[in-house]
Amino acid sequence: QITLKESGPTLVKPTQTLTLTCTFSGFSLTTNGVGVGWIRQSPGKALEWLTIIYWDDDKRYRSSLKTRLTITKDTSKNQVVLIMTNMDPVDTGTYYCAHSLTTFTALRNAFDIWGQGTMVTVSS
Amino acid sequence: QSVLTQAPSVSGAPGQRVTISCTGNSSNIGAGFGVHWYQQLPGTAPKLLIYGDNNRPSGVPDRFSGSKSGTSASLGITGLQADDEAHYYCQSYDSSLRAWVFGGGTELTVL
Repeated sequence: QITLKESGPTLVKPTQTLTLTCTFSGFSLTTNGVGVGWIRQSPGKALEWLTIIYWDDDKRYRSSLKTRLTITKDTSKNQVVLIMTNMDPVDTGTYYCAHSLTTFTALRNAFDIWGQGTMVTVSS
Repeated sequence: QSVLTQAPSVSGAPGQRVTISCTGNSSNIGAGFGVHWYQQLPGTAPKLLIYGDNNRPSGVPDRFSGSKSGTSASLGITGLQADDEAHYYCQSYDSSLRAWVFGGGTELTVL
């Protein structure tokens, strides 16, 4: 059974750096084709993909946020870390991590299992 | 402005059928990338409902179905139930943006 759980601060100040951790179980990020992505959702708004990291350390970033985002993995701890710099109130929202596959199946590029999400408020 | 376009809301009476559409372009849906649908119940994380255009994960009732044609996709829900009230999002991959893209979401109200 695959599970993911996000953790990190609930409140950050403008210009600060946000660090979120996704701790997962039930799969390995060393398995061919496996990835973990981050998706956020501003209050009352749609889902927005941010970044994804794969088993081979391939990383993709949302182009408009590329200069502010860093994603890393620690396979020994089964964790993926998201770092977002220069936080602004518009970055307020719920941040989700989710399991994904890049294998050539119908599930390719889907986010099939999601964490519960963590709410982050950016305010002074 | 989402890359994939969805109507903001749709409604139907219990027992009826509704369809939620998702329109993309030649860089995403039209390029053959799979369309995935998520159901987000109030206050919860999204849940994968349909993957690869028309496949249901284990545990999803067959009242939910997906289809795709050209640059558009649709989610169909038959036998509407009160607990189907949720936001529904489509998602695909865009080769021009090199990004995973979501629709703006459709809020389903069961009258």
